[in-house]
Amino acid sequence: QSVLTQPPSVSGAPGQRVTISCTGSSSNIGAGYDVHWYQQLPGTAPKLLIYANTNRPSGVPDRFSGSKSGTSASLAITGLQAEDEADYYCQSYDNDLRGVVFGGGTKLTVL
Amino acid sequence: QVQLVQSGAEVKKPGSSVTVSCKTSGGSFSTYALNWVRQAPGQGLEWMGGIIPFFGTTNYAQKFQDRVSIIMDESTTTAYMELSSLRSEDTAMYYCARAHRWGANLDYWGQGTLVTVSA
Repeated sequence: QSVLTQPPSVSGAPGQRVTISCTGSSSNIGAGYDVHWYQQLPGTAPKLLIYANTNRPSGVPDRFSGSKSGTSASLAITGLQAEDEADYYCQSYDNDLRGVVFGGGTKLTVL
Repeated sequence: QVQLVQSGAEVKKPGSSVTVSCKTSGGSFSTYALNWVRQAPGQGLEWMGGIIPFFGTTNYAQKFQDRVSIIMDESTTTAYMELSSLRSEDTAMYYCARAHRWGANLDYWGQGTLVTVSA
């Protein structure tokens, strides 16, 4: 059981918008720790997609955006493309565990 | 450019230990947190622990506290992760990844090292 909770799967048609939620608690996201998002394509290492809640690294399309509120965060993907089909993970830090925590991951299927 | 290059795949017997290396280059790593994350087949990402070489401090996930050891050889800028008392459930891809501090985003990742534990 992951400390951060994500839906196991989401799907959308090309061109549509999807969101992936990441729910934590008062010891991690709610304590003010940043949330980061990663995209993992099959057979590859995770790639940083969003850092510090809302920021995109250089090279990440602006179709990807992040937000955070209270004990939760969200990743939004607009203008879905076939190449977006991947697993997505959120990550933060937990005060009680004194370590890095991940969400269980969400598989995005582009219909 | 920043690179993390990991050692090759390993096959180990239950009860033995494995050491995975992560050669860093292209940037300053001594003040960063070098983390280890694993991923069992078909499963999610799991943080194991890490090290900040400048301070010589390590931080391990409670789950692995008594079985994992992470060190950094600053002369070769290579990090090592040793996991002992291996069991079949430790079969996974192991990644090293850099962060600016504990809990910060993992901006650069190694390519991964597959460790298979099998009798």
